[in-house]
Amino acid sequence: EIVLTQSPATLSLSPGERATLSCRASQSISSYLAWYQQKPGQAPRLLIYDASNRATGIPARFSGSGSGTDFTLTISSLEPEDFAVYYCQQRSNGLTFGGGTKVEIK
Amino acid sequence: QVQLVQSGAEVKKTGASVKVSCKASGYSFTTDYLHWVRQAPGQGLEWVGIVNPSGGTTSYAQKFQVRVTMTRDTSTSTVYMELSSLRSEDTAVYYCARGLSGYVYYFDYWGQGTLVTVSS
Repeated sequence: EIVLTQSPATLSLSPGERATLSCRASQSISSYLAWYQQKPGQAPRLLIYDASNRATGIPARFSGSGSGTDFTLTISSLEPEDFAVYYCQQRSNGLTFGGGTKVEIK
Repeated sequence: QVQLVQSGAEVKKTGASVKVSCKASGYSFTTDYLHWVRQAPGQGLEWVGIVNPSGGTTSYAQKFQVRVTMTRDTSTSTVYMELSSLRSEDTAVYYCARGLSGYVYYFDYWGQGTLVTVSS
C-alpha cells in the first residue's frame, strides 16, 4: 500500500499569508495526486487533481505542484474561508489518503 | 446541479449489518463511477470501494473485501453500500462520492455523509 505522509500536521497562519502544505508518497506515484479541503461537519471538496490541475470553480490562489514522491499545495494568500483541513490522495496504486494538515488561524 | 443524497444515520449492534443508500441526480447516472469513502470520528479519510452504475461491476479495498457489498438500481439512480459483521471500529461517517469524469479515482461531488454508529 502506498503511504502518503502530510506535513506539517498543523499550520498556524494569519489571513493574507502564504500557506505551503507538503505530501510525500512512500513510492513514486507519477502525478496521480489530488488535494481536498474539508471544513468541520462538511464533506471534502476537490481542489486539485493530477497534481496541478485546479478543479472546476476553485480560486486561482490554490495551486499544486510536484511529481514522483513529493507534492505541494500552495495557497498564495489565505482567505478566512481557507482555514480547514487539507488531505492529499493518490490513485497510482490502489487509493489512499494522507493523514491531513490542519490550517488554523494564528 | 449534481446532487448525491444519502440515507439517514444508523445505529447498529456489533455483528449486525448496515445498508446505506446514495441517490444521484442532476447528471446521467450511468456515466460516472460512484465510490464510498468513510471517516471515523476525528480521523482521516479511507476509501471503501467503487461501483460502476452502468454495468454494476465493483471493486473493493482489500480491507473490506469480505464484508462489503455495493449495488446499484438504475431505475432510481441509487447506489447502495452494505457492510456486514459490524464492529466498533466501523463507527464512521460514510460518504458516497462521484468519480471525476475521465479520471474515475478522484472525487468531484460528495454526498452529505451518513453516520453509522456501532455499539454493543
